[in-house]
Amino acid sequence: KNEVEQSPQNLTAQEGEFITINCSYSVGISALHWLQQHPGGGIVSLFMLSSGKKKHGRLIATINIQEKHSSLHITASHPRDSAVYICAVLAKGAQKLVFGQGTRLTINP
Amino acid sequence: DTGVSQDPRHKITKRGQNVTFRCDPISEHNRLYWYRQTLGQGPEFLTYFQNEAQLEKSRLLSDRFSAERPKGSFSTLEIQRTEQGDSAMYLCASSGYGEDRGLTGANVLTFGAGSRLTVL
Repeated sequence: KNEVEQSPQNLTAQEGEFITINCSYSVGISALHWLQQHPGGGIVSLFMLSSGKKKHGRLIATINIQEKHSSLHITASHPRDSAVYICAVLAKGAQKLVFGQGTRLTINP
Repeated sequence: DTGVSQDPRHKITKRGQNVTFRCDPISEHNRLYWYRQTLGQGPEFLTYFQNEAQLEKSRLLSDRFSAERPKGSFSTLEIQRTEQGDSAMYLCASSGYGEDRGLTGANVLTFGAGSRLTVL
């Protein structure tokens, strides 16, 4: 079992739908990152979380440290949101990120 | 400073040849990471530097792989005697020491665009 598990692995939705991507991890962490990677593109950092909730535009990220779970939400989804979304955790005491396998999101117009 | 730069962006080589990739991190960042990503997979940790010191190297990395960061600035990743299984995107990321936003040991990573290796 991977230390970081994401679900779903693939998600297809219609433009305008509310999107939720989940991330569960099995180790104690000092931070969790949500990253975005467009097809053929580089990796962009969206959020870094250690507790609570962060919002940036249409993106919202939440984390529950006790349950070792984080979610990324996209409101009013748009085709340009189509990308792979990756959850990565920085384990306590460690200095490297452990990545989930990613969630491939496709938003159809 | 416009971010993390990687060179070359794409390298095609024949099996058995040596290749070298370069990463120029954000200038004030003292931590530098190398990751490898294959199609459909999440990034896989290869190695990590703090300044010029290589602090950790993945057990998955064979002796054909070596990385350096001689002056604590740019880094190189060399693959000797390449194999077809080495074909992947090699990603570099840097982070700034002390940028912890109140979180111990946590930093925001900035990724380069990657260097894609194709071994024929």
